[in-house]
Amino acid sequence: AQSVTQLDSQVPVFEEAPVELRCNYSSSVSVYLFWYVQYPNQGLQLLLKYLSGSTLVKGINGFEAEFNKSQTSFHLRKPSVHISDTAEYFCAVSDPAASGGSYIPTFGRGTSLIVHP
Amino acid sequence: DVKVTQSSRYLVKRTGEKVFLECVQDMDHENMFWYRQDPGLGLRLIYFSYDVKMKEKGDIPEGYSVSREKKERFSLILESASTNQTSMYLCASRGPGQRANYGYTFGSGTRLTVV
Repeated sequence: AQSVTQLDSQVPVFEEAPVELRCNYSSSVSVYLFWYVQYPNQGLQLLLKYLSGSTLVKGINGFEAEFNKSQTSFHLRKPSVHISDTAEYFCAVSDPAASGGSYIPTFGRGTSLIVHP
Repeated sequence: DVKVTQSSRYLVKRTGEKVFLECVQDMDHENMFWYRQDPGLGLRLIYFSYDVKMKEKGDIPEGYSVSREKKERFSLILESASTNQTSMYLCASRGPGQRANYGYTFGSGTRLTVV
């Protein structure tokens, strides 16, 4: 079965500083990778996804992520964060082989990004 | 944009009550899902459905059931609510097959408290 590890449960950072949220998954030949964001008291919203092609993926709100197959990682980055980026971020991996072709993703436990003024 | 609407944002129920959580999507998606979200545990899949009247157990189905009588509506039922079912419940939908790669669309969540 696929497993997804978000290495940091909480990441505090000052406004306008860069940030990286880390995500690692167990190995597989072919996976689809997602980052979701959850603002306080809301549902999750798709931030970006990697399906194939370029390993650098750009998403909404200035976020980007890089797929690294050899390290089985999909870290999320933003060069300069805002107060409004304070939220919970979830990495998810869809592994058709491990899920019996259902494409149901496995979610990480989330990283809370806290942006201080 | 696809909209997934959960009927209640906050709900307080008593132990032993039968609880219905409703979810409606407006994009004609075949696939619908119910998750619960707890601090430190992330999202855990309760049930999902690929089609009308079809349901599949997820990772933590005990104490729950579901109903999908119409394509757009997927209901989660707590047969006899217990305090350990206090949680945030999230409904999601997505397209079929390769369109699964578009990712989920989530509702805003229902925060259920069982007292």
